[in-house]
Amino acid sequence: GAGVSQSPRYKVAKRGQDVALRCDPISGHVSLFWYQQALGQGPEFLTYFQNEAQLDKSGLPSDRFFAERPEGSVSTLKIQRTQQEDSAVYLCASFGTVNTGELFFGEGSRLTVL
Amino acid sequence: KNQVEQSPQSLIILEGKNCTLQCNYTVSPFSNLRWYKQDTGRGPVSLTIMTFSENTKSNGRYTATLDADTKQSSLHITASQLSDSASYICVVSATDSWGKLQFGAGTQVVVTP
Repeated sequence: GAGVSQSPRYKVAKRGQDVALRCDPISGHVSLFWYQQALGQGPEFLTYFQNEAQLDKSGLPSDRFFAERPEGSVSTLKIQRTQQEDSAVYLCASFGTVNTGELFFGEGSRLTVL
Repeated sequence: KNQVEQSPQSLIILEGKNCTLQCNYTVSPFSNLRWYKQDTGRGPVSLTIMTFSENTKSNGRYTATLDADTKQSSLHITASQLSDSASYICVVSATDSWGKLQFGAGTQVVVTP
């Protein structure tokens, strides 16, 4: 597609439910990032993929958070046993190549945990 | 402690006026600095990106400056328009961890008629 696509745009979950957020990066983009953005704050790094390899997952806040990109294109961020503090916008972004410098963001998935 | 600090946290300006946003960073070793515009409910959109050797870059009515010695950057908005109302985020990356960008908290700009 022309841009980074994320789904769902909005998700309401009851505390304890599992959720899965999907990211379709720009076709051919090697690098993919997930960020968490709390209201009124800048995005915070969660994890980074280069193709299918998850090179950095140091930003994942707990072992309830899991991300995968099995074929090096679409990525899924899964949150198990959701808690209220997980409520945030989850942004996905992709790079073409390191040296282009241009990082393209999706519109985000807003998760609300009740 | 956040390695990228932005000021002011928010500001209100009249349509047609200019404004300047500040970004101070401690990220090292420095690779590049980007300014993004984020409309409410949307993903961030890139405005400018500057490397160590660049000290100014423009994108329409947006002009970013960089002083790598003092580790400061500014974003100047000229002749503001209502559509400039958004959050402006400063993002810095280090040469040894380019994949993990450091984001500022953003400056919320409101342009009023």
